[in-house]
Amino acid sequence: SQQGEEDPQALSIQEGENATMNCSYKTSINNLQWYRQNSGRGLVHLILIRSNEREKHSGRLRVTLDTSKKSSSLLITASRAADTASYFCATAYYNQGGKLIFGQGTELSVKP
Amino acid sequence: DGGITQSPKYLFRKEGQNVTLSCEQNLNHDAMYWYRQDPGQGLRLIYYSQIVNDFQKGDIAEGYSVSREKKESFPLTVTSAQKNPTAFYLCATTGGRVTEAFFGQGTRLTVV
Repeated sequence: SQQGEEDPQALSIQEGENATMNCSYKTSINNLQWYRQNSGRGLVHLILIRSNEREKHSGRLRVTLDTSKKSSSLLITASRAADTASYFCATAYYNQGGKLIFGQGTELSVKP
Repeated sequence: DGGITQSPKYLFRKEGQNVTLSCEQNLNHDAMYWYRQDPGQGLRLIYYSQIVNDFQKGDIAEGYSVSREKKESFPLTVTSAQKNPTAFYLCATTGGRVTEAFFGQGTRLTVV
């Protein structure tokens, strides 16, 4: 299986603090994406970073990618209670027929 | 409205029965995916398709079958050979080069 790992599995912080989640993967990728899932719902795309990019920002989100270490991190700054959700990274492989593989996820709880 | 629709939202299956989950999209995307999610777990890839009349097995294809006769539709059949089918099933679609994935709201399948 190409499924990567995410850590931590669960993270609990106070509103206003920053949250950092990490994702590692096993084989060379074409892009890496981060998604959010509220309980019992479908996933929502947050941000995509290509294999030739090292950092990307979108609002309060900052994603980094280190292809030499096969790892990525998602930073959510100034967290809010509404950020409480599960967060998943996904790796894309064009040369494998467009495969998109998700990690195990990090469950984030932001306490007011 | 452009989007991706899964039906039904809840499905109950008796032991030994086959059931089919529907996934329809009107985004004109070529790629479609089926994932299984167990409680507190990440998404595992069942099948994916990049083009009509072609599809590939994912990491956990045993006990499942799919068809891709139309670009808009990618139904998943959970066969009696799938010994533990109770799970949350998610369908997704992406545009070219495996970019942002759009997810349906999921089907929760329970064996009774």
